[in-house]
Amino acid sequence: ILNVEQSPQSLHVQEGDSTNFTCSFPSSNFYALHWYRWETAKSPEALFVMTLNGDEKKKGRISATLNTKEGYSYLYIKGSQPEDSATYLCAFVKGGADGLTFGKGTHLIIQP
Amino acid sequence: SQTIHQWPATLVQPVGSPLSLECTVEGTSNPNLYWYRQAAGRGLQLLFYSVGIGQISSEVPQNLSASRPQDRQFILSSKKLLLSDSGFYLCAWSVSTGAYYGYTFGSGTRLTVV
Repeated sequence: ILNVEQSPQSLHVQEGDSTNFTCSFPSSNFYALHWYRWETAKSPEALFVMTLNGDEKKKGRISATLNTKEGYSYLYIKGSQPEDSATYLCAFVKGGADGLTFGKGTHLIIQP
Repeated sequence: SQTIHQWPATLVQPVGSPLSLECTVEGTSNPNLYWYRQAAGRGLQLLFYSVGIGQISSEVPQNLSASRPQDRQFILSSKKLLLSDSGFYLCAWSVSTGAYYGYTFGSGTRLTVV
């Protein structure tokens, strides 16, 4: 069983503040790490797919980093807005696998 | 453009009743198809995936089965539901290298077994 952990489980952030959260995954047999954003009553939306150690990806105010040697990825949100409120999921793909192993997610609430 | 349809959105079923959830994809051919479930307090768990018509791989032994009768149709079934089958079910599709490029998810079905 692959262990993908996300922390914190939930997070309340004041509008305008920046925040970050963590995804940890097995450091052996790494293939890819995905980040998804999941709003209530909607489909999970792909944010990033990261494959190389040291990768940094950015989409607007959201960015992510990847460390495959130590098995973690950080997701950063700069200047949080109410529309950033969602559950952020990371998913690990091991070499040779066809499916993603998801963490339980970080539930982010932005307070106006 | 590609779209994925999943229905119904909500379902309440008694224990012991059958189940059929359907997922269809438009705008692509030969997609990889997946069924995931999120049970209460748990992460999304891969239940089944399919790389072609009639080809089904099961990740977790359970009370459910899946079928792919057509290229862009993926069905999740059960002959007799258990209380533990309650959860949120998501269908997803990807290109053959989806692990590298990412998945597109449907809108999900909330199943409550009573």
